[in-house]
Amino acid sequence: GAGVSQSPSNKVTEKGKDVELRCDPISGHTALYWYRQSLGQGLEFLIYFQGNSAPDKSGLPSDRFSAERTGGSVSTLTIQRTQQEDSAVYLCASSLDRGTRAQYFGPGTRLLVL
Amino acid sequence: SQQGEEDPQALSIQEGENATMNCSYKTSINNLQWYRQNSGRGLVHLILIRSNEREKHSGRLRVTLDTSKKSSSLLITASRAADTASYFCATDAGANSKLTFGKGITLSVRP
Repeated sequence: GAGVSQSPSNKVTEKGKDVELRCDPISGHTALYWYRQSLGQGLEFLIYFQGNSAPDKSGLPSDRFSAERTGGSVSTLTIQRTQQEDSAVYLCASSLDRGTRAQYFGPGTRLLVL
Repeated sequence: SQQGEEDPQALSIQEGENATMNCSYKTSINNLQWYRQNSGRGLVHLILIRSNEREKHSGRLRVTLDTSKKSSSLLITASRAADTASYFCATDAGANSKLTFGKGITLSVRP
């Protein structure tokens, strides 16, 4: 595709429910990142996939958060038993894992946990 | 922990003035990148400077890098109201490492 796409663009859920957020990276980009951004705050790194290597999960805030990347392309971030503090914008970015490695960001998913 | 730390946290200037934003980092890097974010949307890559470069220009943007001081600056000349956004620096330590972002600088350009 032309750029990184994310779905849904907005998600409202009730506390305790599970949510799945999807990211479609730019075709051919082997690196994929998930970030979280609370209102007015900086980027919080969550997880990093690079090619076939084991993902860097060091940023996941709790075991309620998990992510997978199937076939080296689409990625899904899953938040189980959502809490109100999970409310944020979840951003996905992809890049080549060579050259400048400049990241291309999707528009984000705005998650609101009531 | 964050690799890049921007300074100041917020900057307010008049249209037409120049805006200077600084970024400091802690470890060796391959390159340093600056991004812009409008109103909570996805970040947009602005400019990249490699570790063996000292200065780079792109339109009204000028970025410098001082590896001895582990710092970079982004200068926006002749600012416009449309430059109002958050600006982030990000450091790339090379292959097998993730790009690491600072907390960002909020720039407000008053018309």
